[in-house]
Amino acid sequence: GDSVTQMEGPVTLSEEAFLTINCTYTATGYPSLFWYVQYPGEGLQLLLKATKADDKGSNKGFEATYRKETTSFHLEKGSVQVSDSAVYFCAVTQGGSEKLVFGKGTKLTVNP
Amino acid sequence: EPEVTQTPSHQVTQMGQEVILRCVPISNHLYFYWYRQILGQKVEFLVSFYNNEISEKSEIFDDQFSVERPDGSNFTLKIRSTKLEDSAMYFCASSGRTGGTDTQYFGPGTRLTVL
Repeated sequence: GDSVTQMEGPVTLSEEAFLTINCTYTATGYPSLFWYVQYPGEGLQLLLKATKADDKGSNKGFEATYRKETTSFHLEKGSVQVSDSAVYFCAVTQGGSEKLVFGKGTKLTVNP
Repeated sequence: EPEVTQTPSHQVTQMGQEVILRCVPISNHLYFYWYRQILGQKVEFLVSFYNNEISEKSEIFDDQFSVERPDGSNFTLKIRSTKLEDSAMYFCASSGRTGGTDTQYFGPGTRLTVL
């Protein structure tokens, strides 16, 4: 079945550092790819998504590119802020199925 | 901005008791979902619901679980006889359409603790 493998956390960075959180997936067909973020005490919020190969999703300075050849959807941000501290989840859905399959989540802490 | 709401935020129950978790999806959405996250583990899909019936469910969603849309706004998850291993955060989500590309909007979750 579909699966998502995410970089193990926790990740601790200083403000303005560069962030990469790796995500790879296995899925048949043409999946859609998502990054969700969970801030402390809150629910899951969509951060960005990409629905076809080579699409780049972007939001709030975060980016991720759908790489079909490497089955990856790595999350990047050039300069993190303290307010980016949260848990980040990579997720995939496949056409014809409604379920999101999530990675384990990566906890990011950004220190001032 | 419209949002998904869930009540209660925390539910404590005794093993064997029935619990009902409640969700109010975004008002014009047609597709509804339940997920759960056991502490330290992945967020797992439980069930999806459309047009007053289950459209997809996981193997976790056994006969102890049921879902209902009792009126035009609420969407509920019932666990008939709770077990210790049902302790988890339960998330409700909704989307405007299916097909895997539409965004599912999540509520803040209900933390269920089974003693």
